[in-house]
Amino acid sequence: QKEVEQNSGPLSVPEGAIASLNCTYSDRGSQSFFWYRQYSGKSPELIMSIYSNGDKEDGRFTAQLNKASQYVSLLIRDSQPSDSATYLCAVNRPQGAQKLVFGQGTRLTINP
Amino acid sequence: DTEVTQTPKHLVMGMTNKKSLKCEQHMGHRAMYWYKQKAKKPPELMFVYSYEKLSINESVPSRFSPECPNSSLLNLHLHALQPEDSALYLCASSQDWRSVQPQHFGDGTRLSIL
Repeated sequence: QKEVEQNSGPLSVPEGAIASLNCTYSDRGSQSFFWYRQYSGKSPELIMSIYSNGDKEDGRFTAQLNKASQYVSLLIRDSQPSDSATYLCAVNRPQGAQKLVFGQGTRLTINP
Repeated sequence: DTEVTQTPKHLVMGMTNKKSLKCEQHMGHRAMYWYKQKAKKPPELMFVYSYEKLSINESVPSRFSPECPNSSLLNLHLHALQPEDSALYLCASSQDWRSVQPQHFGDGTRLSIL
């Protein structure tokens, strides 16, 4: 079992719809969870961080965390073509600080 | 533009060359990282520096040699690399070693080994 798992996609969503990206992790002791967006040929850009159960909203983005189910998700409302990118879920291992483990990434395409 | 600056943006080198990648941040961050990213794969952690001391080496081959001259600078010295080392090399920084502090990435150096 991979430490952090994501559906690789591609995920295709019409413009204006809600894009839903999912991630599961294996280490129950994980404490910090991040979503990064990576455009083709560019570096990862932090878009959301979440540390406690529940929802966290920032503009069109909502991160959801359920530690009991070891599940974290990212919702993008009113999807725009500029949201087309690979979204990386990242989890900080509890053993040793700052060992960030990434999922394989989900490639999202927003269709005009 | 990112607040973590990496130079050069592109580097082509032969297997016998010696070169260095540089990373600089002026956010007062005390933890810095090197990652390697192959095409269509996620970043893989190589090294972590915390308060200018090497705290994590993910069993990286000795042909990669990190250096942290001060709290703002991070170098990666390269020697006798192999073609499979061609990748995007990413530097990141975070406020400190605590896991809640998010990491911010530079634009990367795209390295090609001939």
